[in-house]
Amino acid sequence: DTGVSQNPRHKITKRGQNVTFRCDPISEHNRLYWYRQTLGQGPEFLTYFQNEAQLEKSRLLSDRFSAERPKGSFSTLEIQRTEQGDSAMYLCASSFAPGNEQYFGPGTRLTVT
Amino acid sequence: AQSVAQPEDQVNVAEGNPLTVKCTYSVSGNPYLFWYVQYPNRGLQFLLKYITGDNLVKGSYGFEAEFNKSQTSFHLKKPSALVSDSALYFCAVRDISSNTGKLIFGQGTTLQVKP
Repeated sequence: DTGVSQNPRHKITKRGQNVTFRCDPISEHNRLYWYRQTLGQGPEFLTYFQNEAQLEKSRLLSDRFSAERPKGSFSTLEIQRTEQGDSAMYLCASSFAPGNEQYFGPGTRLTVT
Repeated sequence: AQSVAQPEDQVNVAEGNPLTVKCTYSVSGNPYLFWYVQYPNRGLQFLLKYITGDNLVKGSYGFEAEFNKSQTSFHLKKPSALVSDSALYFCAVRDISSNTGKLIFGQGTTLQVKP
């Protein structure tokens, strides 16, 4: 399968714990996006990478959130000291150019108890 | 501010009937518009996009969308609905305030196709 993959698919954690999610984009795509989707809402942009450079971060991304894309390949999104409000689906997408469609992974559903 | 609105939370249609899922947008300049579909516990699947050219855009699974600049709309349509089309549909516009290509999504419309 050559689509976008994300791991894990589900994560249940206790408040205050750290979690890390991984995204593997389509290999020839140099642009990578993270979005967050809560129940009943459309996805909201979190951050953007072009190759290994993180070029934009949303104000939604508090200082507890950090993302990396070493060597411009896979990306990780870490949430430190999780809060119940962090419970959501975290979606990764990749594209080849800014006007092109983005291809989404299946998402990681985070539940903070 | 740029935005996308999907005025209907849910659309119900009988199998075999035509369907329309509505979307309006607010963007300064020429919009890049997209439709995605989401099945339960899945990511979003790209259906179609409008960048320029013909106002009627054809996409995957028999879907099409009509760009109307004067009404700032981009409604999704299908001539004959299938039960398997039942899903959550999102309209999105490219945010032109940055060069990243990030998308602004509507809140989604649930399409229910009944046999």
